[in-house]
Amino acid sequence: DSGVTQTPKHLITATGQRVTLRCSPRSGDLSVYWYQQSLDQGLQFLIQYYNGEERAKGNILERFSAQQFPDLHSELNLSSLELGDSALYFCASSGGGLGVSTEAFFGQGTRLTVV
Amino acid sequence: AQSVTQPDIHITVSEGASLELRCNYSYGATPYLFWYVQSPGQGLQLLLKYFSGDTLVQGIKGFEAEFKRSQSSFNLRKPSVHWSDAAEYFCAVGRRASGAGSYQLTFGKGTKLSVIP
Repeated sequence: DSGVTQTPKHLITATGQRVTLRCSPRSGDLSVYWYQQSLDQGLQFLIQYYNGEERAKGNILERFSAQQFPDLHSELNLSSLELGDSALYFCASSGGGLGVSTEAFFGQGTRLTVV
Repeated sequence: AQSVTQPDIHITVSEGASLELRCNYSYGATPYLFWYVQSPGQGLQLLLKYFSGDTLVQGIKGFEAEFKRSQSSFNLRKPSVHWSDAAEYFCAVGRRASGAGSYQLTFGKGTKLSVIP
């Protein structure tokens, strides 16, 4: 158990809908990262938050957004869903940037299926 | 921009045989390198990491990796594979981005390991 909790584990929704994925980081970790894993794209970094502020942005679509709340949990919002958004979405957490924490701990992921 | 190449999509080895999974990276500065393992339906678990110092690093589950700057490689090895090692393995390079606490991991496409009993 990595200590990172993601809910829900599975999500099935229709095209055009909006969903919210939730992540609770390890106790004390300030950074939260979101990754998308799909068969064709592999593991892609989406976005990172550090202590409530956006810090790094990767290949995140404009239809997707995220936030980190004062209690450090994070939510990833996916809207206007398309079939191609079906993927495994991982959250990871670490104590801070490199030099402060030496590794990122991953949750079990949320498997999103868009039908 | 950094990138990671794992040339082998799928490797099959017999139980008890040795294993080497290849990883090549492209990064302008000294890289922070990682190997993660993903079992079916599971998240990613860190096997080992290299930040600096000794270029041969030891990890969990009997794995080790060697950083070779001249070859831009960070290959993962295990002297004797167990059936429970069957999983997908990901190499990653991390870099500090701008701003306090900024950090990005770039992953390779992964190598799926099958183990023959």
